[in-house]
Amino acid sequence: DTAVSQTPKYLVTQMGNDKSIKCEQNLGHDTMYWYKQDSKKFLKIMFSYNNKELIINETVPNRFSPKSPDKAHLNLHINSLELGDSAVYFCASSQPGQGVYNEQFFGPGTRLTVL
Amino acid sequence: AQKITQTQPGMFVQEKEAVTLDCTYDTSDPSYGLFWYKQPSSGEMIFLIYQGSYDQQNATEGRYSLNFQKARKSANLVISASQLGDSAMYFCAMRELGGAGNMLTFGGGTRLMVKP
Repeated sequence: DTAVSQTPKYLVTQMGNDKSIKCEQNLGHDTMYWYKQDSKKFLKIMFSYNNKELIINETVPNRFSPKSPDKAHLNLHINSLELGDSAVYFCASSQPGQGVYNEQFFGPGTRLTVL
Repeated sequence: AQKITQTQPGMFVQEKEAVTLDCTYDTSDPSYGLFWYKQPSSGEMIFLIYQGSYDQQNATEGRYSLNFQKARKSANLVISASQLGDSAMYFCAMRELGGAGNMLTFGGGTRLMVKP
């Protein structure tokens, strides 16, 4: 069974469109995340979310919004897509404990191409 | 300022030799954790090893070990007996206990290429 899954794996779309990427985890974790990996392979956190709190990286445009229908899902909605949004988007989840140990389990990634 | 710095954008190593991938970090939080992830060409992120700031011993996981030098704020990954399958991007990451949202901050990565 896949621990963290994302759909679609590839997404090609036109500038200005609105799109969503779905993420599901079957690990029972409380916290989920979205990361963006740019063309230079740099990984940057976009959001951290649990059922109580959404933490938004301040550099993320408000065209991006996470939506969580339940604890196992965290979908990423992107409005008015721009060329610079082309990247690989990773979903991840973790079960934070008392200390700093917080292994995050990553999904396979979604490669978004904006034309 | 960069919180995680990986100064080696690319490295070559001969198969069966050991290799060290550098990682330095910057934090004022006394409680933090350092993580290494591997990203092969297929794209998935694979967790390799973890070191906590209060851990007295260097972490080891099979052929992976972490050379943790707290005073120097470095957490280098050592891969022993390199294999062709070790060719991948390697990312160092940090979580600060006082940071918001349990987030990981990643370095820029090092591309390791193992030569047969």
